[in-house]
Amino acid sequence: DIQMTQSPSSLSASVGDRVTITCRASQDISNYLAWFQQKPGKAPKSLIYAASTLQSGVPSKFSGSGSGTDFTLTISSLQPEDFATYYCQQYSSSPPTFGGGTKVEI
Amino acid sequence: EVQLLESGGGLVQPGGSLRLSCAASGFAFSSYAMSWVRQAPGKGLEWVSSITGSGFSTYYADSVKGRFTISREKSNNTVYLQMKSLSAEDTAVYYCAKDGASQWLVRPPDYWGQGTLVTVSS
Repeated sequence: DIQMTQSPSSLSASVGDRVTITCRASQDISNYLAWFQQKPGKAPKSLIYAASTLQSGVPSKFSGSGSGTDFTLTISSLQPEDFATYYCQQYSSSPPTFGGGTKVEI
Repeated sequence: EVQLLESGGGLVQPGGSLRLSCAASGFAFSSYAMSWVRQAPGKGLEWVSSITGSGFSTYYADSVKGRFTISREKSNNTVYLQMKSLSAEDTAVYYCAKDGASQWLVRPPDYWGQGTLVTVSS
């Protein structure tokens, strides 16, 4: 199975900050990488697929980059509604696997 | 508007069975693969099972293979997850998700249901 490692596991930030989360795959996954946001007690929300393509309706303050094994999710200007846990997922090969999550806190 | 509504969760004894349902609306049901993803209390996300849009192909995590069965019914736009031989390790919130393509592993989930809690305990 492909292992997905996110860093950091948690971070503290302020409203207006630019935040970057890293996701590393244990082997080359090309651009088969997705990002999800999850707020406490809620279902995940899909943000990005194919490493950098925003899902419909996702604001442009979210951006993704990378290919191969190293990927990043960037939030350009953190807003109160962005405080959540973020997960990456590879869908290059079976089984699809998730990173351990990055909790973005105030 | 895409909607996914899970049901069927609850408390079940170890070794027992349960069937989860996911009623889908707002999109061409047979054109998209569907998946189940679970989240144990306080833990991360774990893929469980997927089924192609046609229903001809199904896929399972090793942890549930042989115990869980995914299926879909186009007459009522519903995906099912039949679970048997349940153990405490299966305790989790189970999310139904719509994938972004008909075939599996082409596009990841783009919409998620609200989840249904399965608790395995005596």
